[in-house]
Amino acid sequence: GAGVSQTPSNKVTEKGKYVELRCDPISGHTALYWYRQSLGQGPEFLIYFQGTGAADDSGLPNDRFFAVRPEGSVSTLKIQRTERGDSAVYLCASSLDRGGTEAFFGQGTRLTVV
Amino acid sequence: GENVEQHPSTLSVQEGDSAVIKCTYSDSASNYFPWYKQELGKGPQLIIDIRSNVGEKKDQRIAVTLNKTAKHFSLHITETQPEDSAVYFCAAVRGSTLGRLYFGRGTQLTVWP
Repeated sequence: GAGVSQTPSNKVTEKGKYVELRCDPISGHTALYWYRQSLGQGPEFLIYFQGTGAADDSGLPNDRFFAVRPEGSVSTLKIQRTERGDSAVYLCASSLDRGGTEAFFGQGTRLTVV
Repeated sequence: GENVEQHPSTLSVQEGDSAVIKCTYSDSASNYFPWYKQELGKGPQLIIDIRSNVGEKKDQRIAVTLNKTAKHFSLHITETQPEDSAVYFCAAVRGSTLGRLYFGRGTQLTVWP
C-alpha cells in the first residue's frame, strides 16, 4: 500500500476484554515499531520487529501485552485483560531498515477501555 | 535510557512570524534527531531530520540546528502559515537501539492569521 495502515481506527472495549490491533506496514519495510501515545504526550516505544523477530520488546508495559509479526509484514498487537489505563492511541511505524532511517507512521488506533 | 525534553509545550505566533522549538537530550550516544508534525487524528509525519555529524540543515521554511556539545537541537520555522498549526515532536535515536525513537512531549503550535 501507499502508507502504513492500521485497523481498526477506533476500538471501544470493556474492561477485562481481549483486543487485537493490526498494522500493515509499507511494502518492503523490514523494520516495524509499535508506540503508544497518551493524551498530551509524545509516543512511547513498545516493541520493535526486524523481519519476523522481536528485536526489542523492552517497552511492553507488562505481560498482558504481546505482539507478533509471523510473516515479516503484517503485525498484530494483542492486549489481554484490558484495563482503563490501556486507553491510548496505538501507533505503528515502519522503516526500510533500522537505525536512523525515516520511520513512517500510520494514523493510529484509538483504544478506549470502558 | 535516553531522556528528551522539549520546550515550550504551547506556542502561538502571528502568521508570517518565526517559531522556534527547543529540545535537549541526555545520551551522548544519540546520533539521529528527527522532527515530526502531527495533525489532529493523524500519525506523526517526518518533516526534517539531522544526524550528529551535521550542525544545521534547511528545507525551505524549516531548519534544524544541533549542538552536540550542549546536547540540544532546535526547530526553526520561518514565515509561518496557518497550515503550520499542529503538534510538533522532537525525537532522538541512540545508535545502539535499533532505530527506537525517544520522543519529547510535544509543542502545540498555533499560527493565527
